[in-house]
Amino acid sequence: KAGVTQTPRYLIKTRGQQVTLSCSPISGHRSVSWYQQTPGQGLQFLFEYFSETQRNKGNFPGRFSGRQFSNSRSEMNVSTLELGDSALYLCASSTGQGALGANVLTFGAGSRLTVL
Amino acid sequence: DAKTTQPPSMDCAEGRAANLPCNHSTISGNEYVYWYRQIHSQGPQYIIHGLKNNETNEMASLIITEDRKSSTLILPHATLRDTAVYYCIVRVIKAAGNKLTFGGGTRVLVKP
Repeated sequence: KAGVTQTPRYLIKTRGQQVTLSCSPISGHRSVSWYQQTPGQGLQFLFEYFSETQRNKGNFPGRFSGRQFSNSRSEMNVSTLELGDSALYLCASSTGQGALGANVLTFGAGSRLTVL
Repeated sequence: DAKTTQPPSMDCAEGRAANLPCNHSTISGNEYVYWYRQIHSQGPQYIIHGLKNNETNEMASLIITEDRKSSTLILPHATLRDTAVYYCIVRVIKAAGNKLTFGGGTRVLVKP
């Protein structure tokens, strides 16, 4: 079956711009979560959506937002980009429930954002 | 979630077993141990999880001590493709879904 698909894979933006990243989960998965990975901070949880509702949120400023559509596809948006937002943004999907589904995630390959 | 402690790095010879330790001395009774790995420039990959019994799948074995304060991930026959950062995560199963906390992990280098 198809894995988690993230687009775009690479993008370059300048400070002050905004960016939208997309994630298509595995078919049947209702939970989509987003992570930011930087060399200094490692992997950090951004937020999780389940059935179009934000279910968990990490400790990031309001410039970072997301949403989930009825087909479980998700987007995240970062507004007013800063240099420090340069990172690999990873999306993961899961069934979202039960021992296997709650914390067993399938990750996409990520979207690498560079802010100049 | 309980905190985990892993060695920052370790080397392993190709074809030999790799034993990756993880300390989670403050684990509570309803917390599972999960292992993920991240090969360079890829998203993390789920490996295995367990509660208190030893677990085995096609990728690895997970040995959890009787007091559950530590565990060991065993890669039975390491290959060069097993070179990655391995993360041990302790997490309770919550109806409110997942919010995994990845620590620094163990950087494993498999050498020929």
